[in-house]
Amino acid sequence: EAQVTQNPRYLITVTGKKLTVTCSQNMNHEYMSWYRQDPGLGLRQIYYSMNVEVTDKGDVPEGYKVSRKEKRNFPLILESPSPNQTSLYFCASSLLYTGRNEKLFFGSGTQLSVL
Amino acid sequence: AQSVSQHNHHVILSEAASLELGCNYSYGGTVNLFWYVQYPGQHLQLLLKYFSGDPLVKGIKGFEAEFIKSKFSFNLRKPSVQWSDTAEYFCAVNARGNNRLAFGKGNQVVVIP
Repeated sequence: EAQVTQNPRYLITVTGKKLTVTCSQNMNHEYMSWYRQDPGLGLRQIYYSMNVEVTDKGDVPEGYKVSRKEKRNFPLILESPSPNQTSLYFCASSLLYTGRNEKLFFGSGTQLSVL
Repeated sequence: AQSVSQHNHHVILSEAASLELGCNYSYGGTVNLFWYVQYPGQHLQLLLKYFSGDPLVKGIKGFEAEFIKSKFSFNLRKPSVQWSDTAEYFCAVNARGNNRLAFGKGNQVVVIP
Protein backbone atom coordinates (compact mmCIF):
# COMPACT_ATOMS: atom_id res chain seq x y z
CA GLU A 1 0.00 0.00 0.00
CA ALA A 2 1.31 3.42 -0.99
CA GLN A 3 1.82 5.50 2.11
CA VAL A 4 3.81 8.03 4.06
CA THR A 5 4.75 6.71 7.49
CA GLN A 6 5.61 8.94 10.40
CA ASN A 7 6.86 7.89 13.81
CA PRO A 8 6.11 8.38 16.57
CA ARG A 9 2.44 9.29 16.51
CA TYR A 10 2.64 11.05 19.86
CA LEU A 11 5.69 12.39 21.65
CA ILE A 12 6.10 14.23 24.93
CA THR A 13 9.54 15.56 25.75
CA VAL A 14 11.28 18.21 27.80
CA THR A 15 12.99 21.38 26.73
CA GLY A 16 16.45 20.81 25.30
CA LYS A 17 16.29 17.08 24.79
CA LYS A 18 17.15 16.28 21.18
CA LEU A 19 14.56 14.32 19.24
CA THR A 20 13.98 12.97 15.76
CA VAL A 21 10.68 12.38 14.02
CA THR A 22 11.01 9.88 11.22
CA CYS A 23 9.25 9.97 7.87
CA SER A 24 9.36 7.30 5.21
CA GLN A 25 7.53 6.91 1.90
CA ASN A 26 7.30 3.82 -0.27
CA MET A 27 6.27 5.50 -3.52
CA ASN A 28 9.70 6.44 -4.86
CA HIS A 29 8.73 10.10 -4.57
CA GLU A 30 11.36 12.72 -5.22
CA TYR A 31 9.76 15.54 -3.25
CA MET A 32 9.30 15.41 0.52
CA SER A 33 8.30 18.11 2.95
CA TRP A 34 7.61 18.80 6.62
CA TYR A 35 4.77 20.99 7.88
CA ARG A 36 3.60 22.03 11.29
CA GLN A 37 -0.07 22.64 11.98
CA ASP A 38 -1.14 25.06 14.68
CA PRO A 39 -4.66 26.26 15.53
CA GLY A 40 -5.53 29.39 13.61
CA LEU A 41 -2.31 29.28 11.62
CA GLY A 42 -2.99 26.38 9.27
CA LEU A 43 -0.05 24.46 7.85
CA ARG A 44 3.33 26.08 7.62
CA GLN A 45 6.19 24.54 5.74
CA ILE A 46 9.34 23.83 7.73
CA TYR A 47 11.72 22.25 5.23
CA TYR A 48 11.41 20.48 1.93
CA SER A 49 13.59 18.29 -0.24
CA MET A 50 13.58 18.01 -4.00
CA ASN A 51 15.71 14.86 -4.02
CA VAL A 52 18.48 13.04 -2.21
CA GLU A 53 20.93 15.46 -0.60
CA VAL A 54 18.82 18.44 -1.78
CA THR A 55 17.01 20.27 1.00
CA ASP A 56 15.78 23.81 1.43
CA LYS A 57 14.12 25.97 4.04
CA GLY A 58 10.40 26.57 4.10
CA ASP A 59 8.60 29.34 5.93
CA VAL A 60 9.46 28.38 9.52
CA PRO A 61 12.80 26.51 9.56
CA GLU A 62 14.21 27.95 12.79
CA GLY A 63 14.95 25.30 15.39
CA TYR A 64 14.68 22.40 12.95
CA LYS A 65 17.06 20.34 10.85
CA VAL A 66 16.44 17.75 8.16
CA SER A 67 18.45 15.30 6.14
CA ARG A 68 17.80 13.36 2.94
CA LYS A 69 20.42 10.67 2.67
CA GLU A 70 18.04 8.22 1.03
CA LYS A 71 15.13 8.87 -1.27
CA ARG A 72 12.55 7.22 0.97
CA ASN A 73 13.48 8.86 4.30
CA PHE A 74 13.25 12.46 5.44
CA PRO A 75 13.71 12.77 9.22
CA LEU A 76 12.95 15.97 11.11
CA ILE A 77 15.43 16.77 13.86
CA LEU A 78 14.90 19.09 16.79
CA GLU A 79 18.34 19.61 18.33
CA SER A 80 17.09 21.55 21.35
CA PRO A 81 13.29 21.54 21.47
CA SER A 82 11.45 24.42 23.06
CA PRO A 83 7.80 24.76 24.16
CA ASN A 84 6.93 26.88 21.10
CA GLN A 85 7.65 23.81 19.00
CA THR A 86 4.69 22.03 20.54
CA SER A 87 2.61 21.32 17.47
CA LEU A 88 1.15 18.73 15.12
CA TYR A 89 3.69 17.80 12.48
CA PHE A 90 2.98 16.33 9.07
CA CYS A 91 5.35 14.83 6.57
CA ALA A 92 4.29 14.80 2.93
CA SER A 93 5.65 13.59 -0.37
CA SER A 94 4.90 13.85 -4.05
CA LEU A 95 6.27 12.26 -7.19
CA LEU A 96 7.64 15.45 -8.69
CA TYR A 97 7.27 19.10 -8.02
CA THR A 98 7.89 20.40 -11.48
CA GLY A 99 5.37 18.37 -13.38
CA ARG A 100 1.61 18.11 -13.30
CA ASN A 101 1.47 15.29 -10.77
CA GLU A 102 1.79 17.52 -7.77
CA LYS A 103 -0.61 15.83 -5.41
CA LEU A 104 0.84 15.64 -1.94
CA PHE A 105 0.50 12.45 0.09
CA PHE A 106 0.45 13.15 3.80
CA GLY A 107 1.50 11.07 6.75
CA SER A 108 -0.79 10.57 9.75
CA GLY A 109 0.91 13.25 11.81
CA THR A 110 3.03 13.46 14.95
CA GLN A 111 1.65 15.32 17.93
CA LEU A 112 4.63 16.76 19.79
CA SER A 113 4.46 18.34 23.22
CA VAL A 114 7.54 20.05 24.63
CA LEU A 115 7.33 20.72 28.36
CA ALA B 1 6.35 34.64 -2.14
CA GLN B 2 2.77 33.52 -2.57
CA SER B 3 0.32 33.74 0.33
CA VAL B 4 -3.18 32.41 0.82
CA SER B 5 -6.17 33.88 2.65
CA GLN B 6 -9.15 31.93 3.86
CA HIS B 7 -11.96 33.74 5.63
CA ASN B 8 -14.67 32.63 8.04
CA HIS B 9 -12.47 30.20 9.89
CA HIS B 10 -15.42 28.50 11.60
CA VAL B 11 -18.51 27.55 9.61
CA ILE B 12 -21.52 25.79 11.10
CA LEU B 13 -24.37 24.69 8.90
CA SER B 14 -27.16 22.13 8.70
CA GLU B 15 -27.28 19.11 6.44
CA ALA B 16 -28.49 19.87 2.90
CA ALA B 17 -27.33 23.48 3.17
CA SER B 18 -24.99 24.82 0.53
CA LEU B 19 -21.36 25.49 1.36
CA GLU B 20 -18.98 28.00 -0.11
CA LEU B 21 -15.49 28.61 1.25
CA GLY B 22 -13.46 31.51 -0.01
CA CYS B 23 -9.81 31.36 -0.97
CA ASN B 24 -7.75 34.27 -2.22
CA TYR B 25 -4.08 34.23 -3.05
CA SER B 26 -1.48 36.87 -3.65
CA TYR B 27 0.77 36.11 -6.57
CA GLY B 28 0.77 37.75 -9.95
CA GLY B 29 2.03 34.85 -12.03
CA THR B 30 0.75 31.45 -13.00
CA VAL B 31 -0.36 29.26 -10.13
CA ASN B 32 -1.41 25.74 -9.30
CA LEU B 33 -4.33 25.64 -6.86
CA PHE B 34 -5.48 22.96 -4.46
CA TRP B 35 -8.07 22.24 -1.84
CA TYR B 36 -7.21 19.69 0.82
CA VAL B 37 -9.55 18.25 3.44
CA GLN B 38 -8.70 16.96 6.89
CA TYR B 39 -11.38 14.82 8.53
CA PRO B 40 -11.29 14.62 12.34
CA GLY B 41 -8.25 12.68 13.49
CA GLN B 42 -6.99 12.06 9.99
CA HIS B 43 -4.30 13.43 7.74
CA LEU B 44 -4.87 15.78 4.83
CA GLN B 45 -6.26 14.45 1.60
CA LEU B 46 -6.51 16.11 -1.78
CA LEU B 47 -10.04 17.23 -2.60
CA LEU B 48 -9.39 18.82 -5.99
CA LYS B 49 -6.78 20.75 -7.92
CA TYR B 50 -6.47 23.23 -10.76
CA PHE B 51 -3.51 23.49 -13.11
CA SER B 52 -4.95 24.84 -16.35
CA GLY B 53 -7.94 24.58 -18.66
CA ASP B 54 -11.55 24.74 -17.49
CA PRO B 55 -11.62 27.06 -14.48
CA LEU B 56 -14.46 25.06 -12.93
CA VAL B 57 -12.91 22.01 -11.33
CA LYS B 58 -14.86 19.07 -9.99
CA GLY B 59 -13.42 17.02 -7.16
CA ILE B 60 -14.41 14.11 -5.00
CA LYS B 61 -17.55 13.87 -2.87
CA GLY B 62 -19.50 16.43 -4.89
CA PHE B 63 -17.13 19.33 -4.29
CA GLU B 64 -16.18 21.81 -6.97
CA ALA B 65 -14.07 24.94 -7.13
CA GLU B 66 -13.90 27.84 -9.52
CA PHE B 67 -10.72 29.64 -10.43
CA ILE B 68 -11.33 33.32 -11.15
CA LYS B 69 -8.02 34.75 -12.27
CA SER B 70 -9.12 38.38 -12.17
CA LYS B 71 -10.10 38.00 -8.53
CA PHE B 72 -7.15 35.81 -7.54
CA SER B 73 -9.70 33.42 -6.07
CA PHE B 74 -10.34 29.69 -5.95
CA ASN B 75 -13.55 29.24 -3.97
CA LEU B 76 -14.77 25.82 -2.93
CA ARG B 77 -18.45 24.89 -3.19
CA LYS B 78 -20.80 22.06 -2.46
CA PRO B 79 -24.52 22.43 -3.18
CA SER B 80 -25.76 20.16 -0.39
CA VAL B 81 -23.54 19.15 2.52
CA GLN B 82 -23.74 16.01 4.60
CA TRP B 83 -22.77 15.37 8.20
CA SER B 84 -19.74 13.47 6.90
CA ASP B 85 -18.41 16.70 5.38
CA THR B 86 -17.50 17.90 8.87
CA ALA B 87 -13.79 18.59 8.50
CA GLU B 88 -11.17 21.25 8.14
CA TYR B 89 -10.60 22.53 4.63
CA PHE B 90 -7.34 24.04 3.43
CA CYS B 91 -6.67 25.99 0.29
CA ALA B 92 -3.11 25.78 -1.06
CA VAL B 93 -1.24 27.61 -3.78
CA ASN B 94 1.92 26.80 -5.66
CA ALA B 95 3.49 29.41 -7.88
CA ARG B 96 4.66 27.79 -11.11
CA GLY B 97 8.37 27.22 -11.01
CA ASN B 98 8.44 27.59 -7.24
CA ASN B 99 9.03 24.51 -5.16
CA ARG B 100 6.90 25.55 -2.22
CA LEU B 101 3.25 25.07 -1.44
CA ALA B 102 1.60 27.74 0.69
CA PHE B 103 -1.46 26.78 2.73
CA GLY B 104 -4.20 28.99 4.03
CA LYS B 105 -5.18 28.91 7.71
CA GLY B 106 -8.06 26.58 7.06
CA ASN B 107 -11.85 26.57 7.46
CA GLN B 108 -13.30 24.45 10.23
CA VAL B 109 -16.67 23.24 8.91
CA VAL B 110 -19.20 21.59 11.19
CA VAL B 111 -22.33 20.09 9.64
CA ILE B 112 -25.19 19.53 12.04
CA PRO B 113 -27.41 16.53 11.27
